[in-house]
Amino acid sequence: DGGITQSPKYLFRKEGQNVTLSCEQNLNHDAMYWYRQDPGQGLRLIYYSQIVNDFQKGDIAEGYSVSREKKESFPLTVTSAQKNPTAFYLCASRYSGYTEAFFGQGTRLTVV
Amino acid sequence: GENVEQHPSTLSVQEGDSAVIKCTYSDSASNYFPWYKQELGKRPQLIIDIRSNVGEKKDQRIAVTLNKTAKHFSLHITETQPEDSAVYFCAREEVFGANNLFFGTGTRLTVIP
Repeated sequence: DGGITQSPKYLFRKEGQNVTLSCEQNLNHDAMYWYRQDPGQGLRLIYYSQIVNDFQKGDIAEGYSVSREKKESFPLTVTSAQKNPTAFYLCASRYSGYTEAFFGQGTRLTVV
Repeated sequence: GENVEQHPSTLSVQEGDSAVIKCTYSDSASNYFPWYKQELGKRPQLIIDIRSNVGEKKDQRIAVTLNKTAKHFSLHITETQPEDSAVYFCAREEVFGANNLFFGTGTRLTVIP
């Protein structure tokens, strides 16, 4: 099943609340990524991490935060500063550059 | 952004016909170009990739061609089948940098039986 798991599958958030999306992998991959998928806009990079305790902003990092305290885990927090958080979020991991990226099954976040 | 341009956004073909999806990019430092397939309700999965030292790669009914001079690469699916219906994403990766994958906007392919 790819060895990368996202939870929950569906998440509802009230306006003004922070929520955290989980991403765990048991593939021993160094690199982990968070993408946001909106209709017609492809996969846009939010944050990425090449190694434990290090991460970098992607193209649309505003309103999001991450941590990488363990190799296996790369949680994403959607903060109240994110103005349009309703979207489908995908986590991915891979060994390094120029290798296959494995995706989680995604989390659909809806602001209510 | 640093993503790639992908066309068309939607494509419908009759079963058995061929489908072609094209992506263009501007960063000449890109040298790895994978294609991912995302079936409805499922996660994206790699179907084929190509590196800049080759111009074409084939795997059964799918092939990818790369023109580094013109900065475009294409996915070709021959003898299409209904199970080929999905959203296809192209991507690129740079030679140097953070080893990030930059994705295209996706093409929704529908194969009509």
